[in-house]
Amino acid sequence: QSALTQPPSVSGSPGQSVTISCTGTSSDVGSYNRVSWYQQPPGTAPKLMIYEVSNRPSGVPDRFSGSKSGNTASLTISGLQTEDEADYYCSLYTTSSTWVFGGGTKLTVL
Amino acid sequence: QVQLQESGPGLVKPSETLSLTCTVSGGSVSRYYWSWIRQPPGKGLEWIGYIYYSGSTNYNPSLKSRVTISVDTSKNQFSLKLSSVTAADTAVYYCATVGSDSSRWGWFDPWGQGTLVTVSS
Repeated sequence: QSALTQPPSVSGSPGQSVTISCTGTSSDVGSYNRVSWYQQPPGTAPKLMIYEVSNRPSGVPDRFSGSKSGNTASLTISGLQTEDEADYYCSLYTTSSTWVFGGGTKLTVL
Repeated sequence: QVQLQESGPGLVKPSETLSLTCTVSGGSVSRYYWSWIRQPPGKGLEWIGYIYYSGSTNYNPSLKSRVTISVDTSKNQFSLKLSSVTAADTAVYYCATVGSDSSRWGWFDPWGQGTLVTVSS
């Protein structure tokens, strides 16, 4: 299965913006838009934040946005708030009808 | 609004079979695709497999030889069985709905709260 690479950690101060990357290959992330992002605060279940690269479910603040360039998808959080501190995971639905997750990124709000 | 709840033993002995059930409320199990995902303590997420109410399934190749996912439409539930477990199978197990709209699908929403299964003698 393909692997998605995320940075282990990112940090930012309240009010700032941070971007979390999710890198695949030209055969997966580069060719398809089935990338989604999940937020997981400590001790809780993951929550969908972005689907199909850049679509935001109802109820998710517009401070969260997704994009893709080449083989890398990105989640950007603007106007950081303390409650954004969590682990973030990207996921890809593959051409084999399976899913793969990135290793996760821990966001620290300083 | 679909809600999911996992249930099953919290402790399983090595070499035995782990069995979990996900009960669907607020919607019909006959409508969507359903998935199991797990997370070892302190580690990342791992997709296990999915099922459609018709019985169509697909599994993570790394677990395929040990996994069976089934659906019971009469109880509005779907289930996971993982055989020959070892300590490496200790994890929080989540059930989730595979999201879709008119022309797209492939995300997980919503998720159950998760249940911790420990493999130990």
